[in-house]
Amino acid sequence: DVKVTQSSRYLVKRTGEKVFLECVQDMDHENMFWYRQDPGLGLRLIYFSYDVKMKEKGDIPEGYSVSREKKERFSLILESASTNQTSMYLCASSFRVQRGTDTQYFGPGTRLTVL
Amino acid sequence: TQLLEQSPQFLSIQEGENLTVYCNSSSVFSSLQWYRQEPGEGPVLLVTVVTGGEVKKLKRLTFQFGDARKDSSLHITAAQPGDTGLYLCAGGTNFGNEKLTFGTGTRLTIIP
Repeated sequence: DVKVTQSSRYLVKRTGEKVFLECVQDMDHENMFWYRQDPGLGLRLIYFSYDVKMKEKGDIPEGYSVSREKKERFSLILESASTNQTSMYLCASSFRVQRGTDTQYFGPGTRLTVL
Repeated sequence: TQLLEQSPQFLSIQEGENLTVYCNSSSVFSSLQWYRQEPGEGPVLLVTVVTGGEVKKLKRLTFQFGDARKDSSLHITAAQPGDTGLYLCAGGTNFGNEKLTFGTGTRLTIIP
């Protein structure tokens, strides 16, 4: 079974703090993704990575950065947390296919509250 | 930016009833996926459709991709409490990357 794990299920931080969200997958997937999920907005892509040390901005990258030093690990960093970053954060991974769209496998999510 | 609008946003029906969820866009997608997300979990893939007009069945769930590949529907027959969850459609493109555009979501509650 594919397993995507996220370092915390719940996290409470203060405005201005630096926040690290960690994601690890065990299926040797090339692609990894970070989304945030807000009611009525679905999932919005923050960043994705298709290889080690490679990253591309998604639809809402402002206020976030990422790091992928190893294939299995993809970190999301909030340099200075703000209250509007309170959300559910979901990590996903997938194989890189030549054509078409492969299945994305998701972690259970981290609910981040910024006070 | 491609957008996928789902309707309805919320749906609450009695066990045994039928329902349809819609996923619409003005953009063309090369594939359309449906995911279901249960509380406390990440989304899980239900189906992928890739051909305009394609219909796929998964037990009581029927998925259809529109002829023009801009829309999709999910029909559930004789809904059961286990169908409760958040349903998300997601459109893929064939442009050399594997990004998905997710829909706004439909939260379905089946009342026993």
